[in-house]
Amino acid sequence: DGGITQSPKYLFRKEGQNVTLSCEQNLNHDAMYWYRQDPGQGLRLIYYSQIVNDFQKGDIAEGYSVSREKKESFPLTVTSAQKNPTAFYLCASRSGTSVGDTQYFGPGTRLTVL
Amino acid sequence: LAKTTQPISMDSYEGQEVNITCSHNNIATNDYITWYQQFPSQGPRFIIQGYKTKVTNEVASLFIPADRKSSTLSLPRVSLSDTAVYYCLVDRRGGKLIFGQGTELSVKP
Repeated sequence: DGGITQSPKYLFRKEGQNVTLSCEQNLNHDAMYWYRQDPGQGLRLIYYSQIVNDFQKGDIAEGYSVSREKKESFPLTVTSAQKNPTAFYLCASRSGTSVGDTQYFGPGTRLTVL
Repeated sequence: LAKTTQPISMDSYEGQEVNITCSHNNIATNDYITWYQQFPSQGPRFIIQGYKTKVTNEVASLFIPADRKSSTLSLPRVSLSDTAVYYCLVDRRGGKLIFGQGTELSVKP
């Protein structure tokens, strides 16, 4: 099956710890994205990558870091500098960056910082 | 990127047609309009995309007037399982999508 996988579905961490969220896709898509969603809110863009070894900050990148060493993988690290890390995190991919290319989402990881 | 405005919530009954309108006054010539559906604790799912006039697929229709400053998502004969949040987005070259708050649709029996 082709798609995007995120693991784990639920994640609990103590305050002050860094945590890395996994995102893998086997769709052969060039572009990948990380979003954050808070209760009752829309999605906000954290980071995105249009090609391997390159990525750009989104609207709320502070306290987060990413890497894109492989086309199929785009892990997100939530650092201790992120003041309110508890949220629902969504990874997405897209075949290209031309208009009309559809963005596909993974199932999400719910992070709770205690 | 063009900002979108849509109603916060809507109510409907099973079997009715639901129309959700989105305004995007600053849409640019090359922008596309895309709609997503999201269920609680799941990733958004692509519904439909269009540039102008009308687009129809197996789940919805999208109507876009000539000036393209608004669009209307039409869901025919909704069921309880259509209860979800619906997002309207403007898709611009470069791949960056901006999500608004969306419209929370509640379908009642």
